[in-house]
Amino acid sequence: SQKIEQNSEALNIQEGKTATLTCNYTNYSPAYLQWYRQDPGRGPVFLLLIRENEKEKRKERLKVTFDTTLKQSLFHITASQPADSATYLCALPEGKYIFGTGTRLKVLA
Amino acid sequence: DSGVTQTPKHLITATGQRVTLRCSPRSGDLSVYWYQQSLDQGLQFLIQYYNGEERAKGNILERFSAQQFPDLHSELNLSSLELGDSALYFCASSASYSSGEADTQYFGPGTRLTVL
Repeated sequence: SQKIEQNSEALNIQEGKTATLTCNYTNYSPAYLQWYRQDPGRGPVFLLLIRENEKEKRKERLKVTFDTTLKQSLFHITASQPADSATYLCALPEGKYIFGTGTRLKVLA
Repeated sequence: DSGVTQTPKHLITATGQRVTLRCSPRSGDLSVYWYQQSLDQGLQFLIQYYNGEERAKGNILERFSAQQFPDLHSELNLSSLELGDSALYFCASSASYSSGEADTQYFGPGTRLTVL
């Protein structure tokens, strides 16, 4: 069955820099992939969805890419701010939704 | 505010007990999903209902059961509770029938269950 791999180590970056988070999957390429943000003790919040025929999707300071050859999606936050500090999850459909364990991002002021 | 409500917010109970978690989906959403998130664990899908019918099942324990009522609210029943059942339980809703339709899931604030 499909597995999602996200870097479990926390990512610390300086304010103003670009944060890049990685989501790798193991089997077939899904029809789409989603990114969510989760703050401690709260429910995930949907950020972006990218379809397999889309190379890139943008929303304000967020950018997602989807490379079906590499079986990978990258999530970028440009001009990062301390308020961007959170855990970011990727999710893909396989009958149900499979979520990665997420990468914790900390933006340092 | 996602529009999904969950009650109670916190629940503390003892091993062997039975609890019921409640979820009301966003207005108009027919699908309800239940997830379990333990400390340092990812979201584990438990079960999905669509318009009152079970649609998909994850690694849900036999001690756990769920249902969706005609008014579309859902309840997750956890019985014979064990220490390892302590976790955050999230409900999410979406408009779509299956994950094959690209659709956003809207998550509730969760119920934190502590089993002592």
